[in-house]
Amino acid sequence: QVQLQESGPGLVKPSETLSLTCGVSGFSISSNYYWAWIRQSPERGLEWIGSVHHSGYTSYNPSFKSRVTVSIDTSRSHFSLTLTSVAAADTAVYYCVRTMQSAAFDMWGQGTLVTVSS
Amino acid sequence: QSALTQPPSASGSPGQSISISCTGTSRDIGTYNYVSWYQQHPGKAPKLIIYEVYKRPSGVPDRFSASKSGNTASLTVFGLQAEDEADYYCTSYATTHYVFGTGTKVTVL
Repeated sequence: QVQLQESGPGLVKPSETLSLTCGVSGFSISSNYYWAWIRQSPERGLEWIGSVHHSGYTSYNPSFKSRVTVSIDTSRSHFSLTLTSVAAADTAVYYCVRTMQSAAFDMWGQGTLVTVSS
Repeated sequence: QSALTQPPSASGSPGQSISISCTGTSRDIGTYNYVSWYQQHPGKAPKLIIYEVYKRPSGVPDRFSASKSGNTASLTVFGLQAEDEADYYCTSYATTHYVFGTGTKVTVL
């Protein structure tokens, strides 16, 4: 079955860069879906961060301005998130998610907690 | 962009029905039929239960029903069951991005 698995550091220092990868199995990452990063914190709730398509198309939440990059590696069946200049407010559970053409998030990874602290 | 507005809480006894509203704007819910709903149990990832305003993915009980009118979407749970106790979130597409609701905690009394 379709599985998404986040991986990356659980602790990042303020002002540094957060990098996460999502491995996709049981499904072709090159199919006609978008692949998204979504985060959740008690303070900010659920937030869509950005999405990527295997064609290379990307879209981002304007709230993150130029801090975020989402990329995809179809040969390795994974996609990645990079968030620069992190602060305590970026502490959250980060989910990688498959997105249907109808803009619904139908498959979620288990989530990974990232804490921003010195 | 602002979050969609949901009531913080809703509750009902087993067998009863509850409804949750999700209020947006003409830039999101009012324009797009890309409203979806998610159920989240503690410590778990959200689960898609409604997409494209009213459609249910395979495996989601037909006790879950949803609709939209103007800038407001609604989710109704008929015949409430103990396992329906969870947080519920709406989301809408909004021209190149997505906006989530503030979340509603459903308690089964």
